[in-house]
Amino acid sequence: EADIYQTPRYLVIGTGKKITLECSQTMGHDKMYWYQQDPGMELHLIHYSYGVNSTEKGDLSSESTVSRIRTEHFPLTLESARPSHTSQYLCASKSPGQGARNDYTFGSGTRLTVV
Amino acid sequence: AQKITQTQPGMFVQEKEAVTLDCTYDTSDPSYGLFWYKQPSSGEMIFLIYQGSYDQQNATEGRYSLNFQKARKSANLVISASQLGDSAMYFCAMRAYSGAGSYQLTFGKGTKLSVIP
Repeated sequence: EADIYQTPRYLVIGTGKKITLECSQTMGHDKMYWYQQDPGMELHLIHYSYGVNSTEKGDLSSESTVSRIRTEHFPLTLESARPSHTSQYLCASKSPGQGARNDYTFGSGTRLTVV
Repeated sequence: AQKITQTQPGMFVQEKEAVTLDCTYDTSDPSYGLFWYKQPSSGEMIFLIYQGSYDQQNATEGRYSLNFQKARKSANLVISASQLGDSAMYFCAMRAYSGAGSYQLTFGKGTKLSVIP
């Protein structure tokens, strides 16, 4: 049973629209992440947060923005969607400490298509 | 900088046979963790197996085992007795220190495994 939830699962939207991808987790994890993944390709980190009011950009430059007002909620926003934003977006959270076998929990992803 | 290399874009294996998916890594962090994930066509990331850099024994989880060769910086995944449901993308990933108090999970490009009946 998933403890991290992403909505919507699929989204087709027109160019120029503002969109928000939702990510929520029920595990109380402080650390949360957004990855972008083009079809058949690797995951690239675009944003991460180590707690409330903490957000940082990842390795891959992205026009999206994130916020972390509550521990359980880490939404990603695109102010003006473009076809180049078409991708899958995966949210993840990490349990405290290191060395745990299953540190990271991933959501099911949002497949975004901008037309 | 951390780097994960998976050199096999695609692999085929006969049902019930074993298959090895290759992964090499590079990091200057002496304390790191290596993960393998399975991603079916539905898109979710499914955790398979984990190996810590200080673990003395190779990790095993059911039909999955990790062939960890620290000196060669390789962490190959072995799937025994392949099943049709094993057809998916497989990603090797490494958690290591990336500076400024931050640990990041870095992924390889993945290997697409197809199991043939």
